[in-house]
Amino acid sequence: SQQGEEDPQALSIQEGENATMNCSYKTSINNLQWYRQNSGRGLVHLILIRSNEREKHSGRLRVTLDTSKKSSSLLITASRAADTASYFCAPAGGTSYGKLTFGQGTILTVHP
Amino acid sequence: DGGITQSPKYLFRKEGQNVTLSCEQNLNHDAMYWYRQDPGQGLRLIYYSQIVNDFQKGDIAEGYSVSREKKESFPLTVTSAQKNPTAFYLCASGQAVGTEAFFGQGTRLTVV
Repeated sequence: SQQGEEDPQALSIQEGENATMNCSYKTSINNLQWYRQNSGRGLVHLILIRSNEREKHSGRLRVTLDTSKKSSSLLITASRAADTASYFCAPAGGTSYGKLTFGQGTILTVHP
Repeated sequence: DGGITQSPKYLFRKEGQNVTLSCEQNLNHDAMYWYRQDPGQGLRLIYYSQIVNDFQKGDIAEGYSVSREKKESFPLTVTSAQKNPTAFYLCASGQAVGTEAFFGQGTRLTVV
């Protein structure tokens, strides 16, 4: 099925540094979404980028999408300890219309 | 107060018993989803529904059943046929398939 594969599996940085996470997928999409999950909680939607967009910003988040390489990246600038969480991408639409599937996620730890 | 509600938060059942997890939303969303998450793992799609009275199997539907008789409700039954039912179950809804999804806080099911 169409699911994203996040890379790296785990990322550990200091407060104030930038964090970059990558997502790869296999088939065509209508959009790609990024979510965050704090331990033991539900996921929270962060940002959605459409297939005809290349870059999108939201506060300290910057998402890029390269449909020719079937990849996306999420950049969190000036990380804070509160950004510690798991981050998931979800490629949506296209050949997997109707489904919203997730990969294993990237576990981000931001040290104070 | 709009949102998506899962109940109960914790559920314990004896092996061999069926159990139903509740998921209710008052967001007027057409699409609803059920996921399973095991410790340290990503989310796996169990069932999804694009509209009331319709639902499709996800990637791991065996041992589970759902119904979508009302737009607001998408209950999940974990049957005795599910070999390893102990997990964290997440329900989500979206205005339409492939759009931003809103998640409940999850139900942690333990089968002993």
